[in-house]
Amino acid sequence: GAVVSQHPSRVICKSGTSVKIECRSLDFQATTMFWYRQFPKQSLMLMATSNEGSKATYEQGVEKDKFLINHASLTLSTLTVTSAHPEDSSFYICSVLTGPNEKLFFGSGTQLSVL
Amino acid sequence: DAKTTQPPSMDCAEGRAANLPCNHSTISGNEYVYWYRQIHSQGPQYIIHGLKNNETNEMASLIITEDRKSSTLILPHATLRDTAVYYCIVQIQGAQKLVFGQGTRLTINP
Repeated sequence: GAVVSQHPSRVICKSGTSVKIECRSLDFQATTMFWYRQFPKQSLMLMATSNEGSKATYEQGVEKDKFLINHASLTLSTLTVTSAHPEDSSFYICSVLTGPNEKLFFGSGTQLSVL
Repeated sequence: DAKTTQPPSMDCAEGRAANLPCNHSTISGNEYVYWYRQIHSQGPQYIIHGLKNNETNEMASLIITEDRKSSTLILPHATLRDTAVYYCIVQIQGAQKLVFGQGTRLTINP
């Protein structure tokens, strides 16, 4: 199955700084990747769908100017949390879809803590 | 919105079969039922999926009722490492994205 590498696994930053999270599909060319966010003891919430070579599609309520997504190649999507604030502290997870009715493969997640 | 209903938590003894139910009464004819699990502080892991026939793989079995309004995930011999949150998800047709509900927190007890 597809292997998804997410980096970093944990990041601590100061309020007002930007943080970039990388999601790599190691053995599958992914035209579509998904970004989720998960707060403690809550379920995963889909933030956006990342499309290779085009603009990402954001879910309702997710600020596209705050959560910048770039999917410049078939194996890499990045999520940049701009001007991070403590309320952005969360577990961010990327995933790769291997086909229209196939399964999702998930990265190991990135725990973001904004001080 | 999630289209599934699951019990918030369940317990199971180690070595016994864990049966996790899921209701999806509004499922459409061409929507699949997926099961994923999430061990603490990790990304979710795919377990199994099916359309209308029962499915089995090395991890689990999936039993889907004939009317497809509910399903059961069966872990035949639960181990302590099966402690996780289990998500039952119905695929949204055409959107190619999965919406997660609250899942069932399964605790395997020694």
